[in-house]
Amino acid sequence: EPEVTQTPSHQVTQMGQEVILRCVPISNHLYFYWYRQILGQKVEFLVSFYNNEISEKSEIFDDQFSVERPDGSNFTLKIRSTKLEDSAMYFCASRDSGGTDTQYFGPGTRLTVL
Amino acid sequence: QQQVKQSPQSLIVQKGGISIINCAYENTAFDYFPWYQQFPGKGPALLIAIRPDVSEKKEGRFTISFNKSAKQFSLHIMDSQPGDSATYFCAATGANNLFFGTGTRLTVIP
Repeated sequence: EPEVTQTPSHQVTQMGQEVILRCVPISNHLYFYWYRQILGQKVEFLVSFYNNEISEKSEIFDDQFSVERPDGSNFTLKIRSTKLEDSAMYFCASRDSGGTDTQYFGPGTRLTVL
Repeated sequence: QQQVKQSPQSLIVQKGGISIINCAYENTAFDYFPWYQQFPGKGPALLIAIRPDVSEKKEGRFTISFNKSAKQFSLHIMDSQPGDSATYFCAATGANNLFFGTGTRLTVIP
């Protein structure tokens, strides 16, 4: 069964450093998402991406964040200058365009900012 | 503004019992309501979903009940098993991104 994959599974970084979180969505999917889950809290929407551009973003997704689809398979989330409060699980999700709203989530990347 | 409210925060059920988790939403533009199951250290996995044109959907031991007029929906897990112990999130969407509830940690005691 196709699945969303994410790398790395755990990223530790120093405050102020840049990090790039990588995702490989399901191959025939056209809508891509990033969500964040702070430990013990609910999953929060960050950004959605379709047709090589951001289609929607939340207030969490400020100028420190960017997304990119550098090739036909990868989808990345970049945090330019990490803050302590960026420590969270980051989930990538994707869905196809066949009329279904189902989003499939990856296993997540745990980001720890020291 | 909390788009989706979920209760209870935690739930303990005996093996074989029924687990019930409730959610309420505000935005009448929402038209798709999935439930996700999450195990520790894993991503949310779609469990079951419903659209507002039906009042109930059943898949195996899992049933969603939907009340459009009350803007409420619930997940029922019949014959709960220890393997069902996980965190359950309801969610809602109208066009694009998902709005998640705060989650319910279910523990099924053998």
